[in-house]
Amino acid sequence: SQTIHQWPATLVQPVGSPLSLECTVEGTSNPNLYWYRQAAGRGLQLLFYSVGIGQISSEVPQNLSASRPQDRQFILSSKKLLLSDSGFYLCASERNTEAFFGQGTRLTVV
Amino acid sequence: KNEVEQSPQNLTAQEGEFITINCSYSVGISALHWLQQHPGGGIVSLFMLSSGKKKHGRLIATINIQEKHSSLHITASHPRDSAVYICAVMFQGAQKLVFGQGTRLTINP
Repeated sequence: SQTIHQWPATLVQPVGSPLSLECTVEGTSNPNLYWYRQAAGRGLQLLFYSVGIGQISSEVPQNLSASRPQDRQFILSSKKLLLSDSGFYLCASERNTEAFFGQGTRLTVV
Repeated sequence: KNEVEQSPQNLTAQEGEFITINCSYSVGISALHWLQQHPGGGIVSLFMLSSGKKKHGRLIATINIQEKHSSLHITASHPRDSAVYICAVMFQGAQKLVFGQGTRLTINP
């Protein structure tokens, strides 16, 4: 079965600093990959999804970007973090209706 | 519009009670997932359903395709079941999971 590795688990970053969160998938090929964010007290909101290498769809405008340099690697980035970027970030993988989830990254921007 | 609604938003019960959490969705789906999120944030996949019923220990998940509704039941609830339970749906023809808002469950001893 699939395994998703997402790191780091927690991160504290100053405002204006860059961000790079990485997600890698094992046990499958050509999955659909997703980045979600959960702000405090809110539900999970889809940020980006990718159906293949180099193919990224953005769901909400923001100062974040995503890239998929390899089939099983999905990266979430920012050039300059804002306080409002604080939250819980979750990577997910889906293939043939089966979905798997990373452990998440709790980001605090200070 | 592809929407997922969960109820209740918050649920507090006493240890031992039978718990039901509901999930309704707007259009046809290819799969529905029930997830558990503990206070630390990590998410555990509990069930994936496309029809019928599944059981794992004290957890039971059912889905009614015609009514576009799924339920998650917990029998003999325990304080360690306290968590946020999330329903996530893959709509037919779509390429993305849509999450419900979650149900915060608190089981008091």
